[in-house]
Amino acid sequence: EVQLVESGGGLVQPGRSLRLSCAASGFTFDDYAMHWVRQAPGKGLEWVSGISWNSGSIGYADSVKGRFTISRDNAKNSLYLQMNSLRAEDTALYYCAKDYDIAVAGTLVYWGQGTLVTVSS
Amino acid sequence: SSELTQDPAVSVALGQTVRITCQGDSLRSYYASWYQQKPGQAPVLVIYGKNNRPSGIPDRFSGSSSGNTASLTITGAQAEDEADYYCNSRDSSGNHQGVVFGGGTKLTVL
Repeated sequence: EVQLVESGGGLVQPGRSLRLSCAASGFTFDDYAMHWVRQAPGKGLEWVSGISWNSGSIGYADSVKGRFTISRDNAKNSLYLQMNSLRAEDTALYYCAKDYDIAVAGTLVYWGQGTLVTVSS
Repeated sequence: SSELTQDPAVSVALGQTVRITCQGDSLRSYYASWYQQKPGQAPVLVIYGKNNRPSGIPDRFSGSSSGNTASLTITGAQAEDEADYYCNSRDSSGNHQGVVFGGGTKLTVL
């Protein structure tokens, strides 16, 4: 059974940093691209970042480019999102999601339950 | 980056057929995927590619595409289909490794 378990969310002040983690199990992690998708309270889904199987291809939404960094450790079956210079508008539930493909295809086959990030003073 | 446009809300009578649409330039190059999200739950993939359903998705869900518009059709809508539906695709603009979501459509089953 595929499982994606996010962690690392919490309350953080504007301008500070936070690192999210996603522990994957139930599939061969390094055979698939992975993504972070967020959802602000009461709002729609927003793609944040995606990374190919070997970290060779990485993409970011314009809203986070230059502030967020996605990475993965295939030996640990883990996905990460380093979030710097956080803003109030980054407040959201952050989902980890598994792609259909080895590259960043954008078809998100499995999703975790999310970790909540709240940016507030 | 590209944009995908969805109607904010759609309603359908129980047992009837409903089509939810998604428009955007990226759909001329890439297929859309469709996700169902119920309150308090993570999204679930219901349609991907030309018209593919993941295991466990009822066959009343189907997808199609023409030009810059992708459609999700539910034939014989059930009460449990009431949810938010999102489309997404690869971004065909300058963000070469990007992905874009539509704003979502709230489906009400009457």
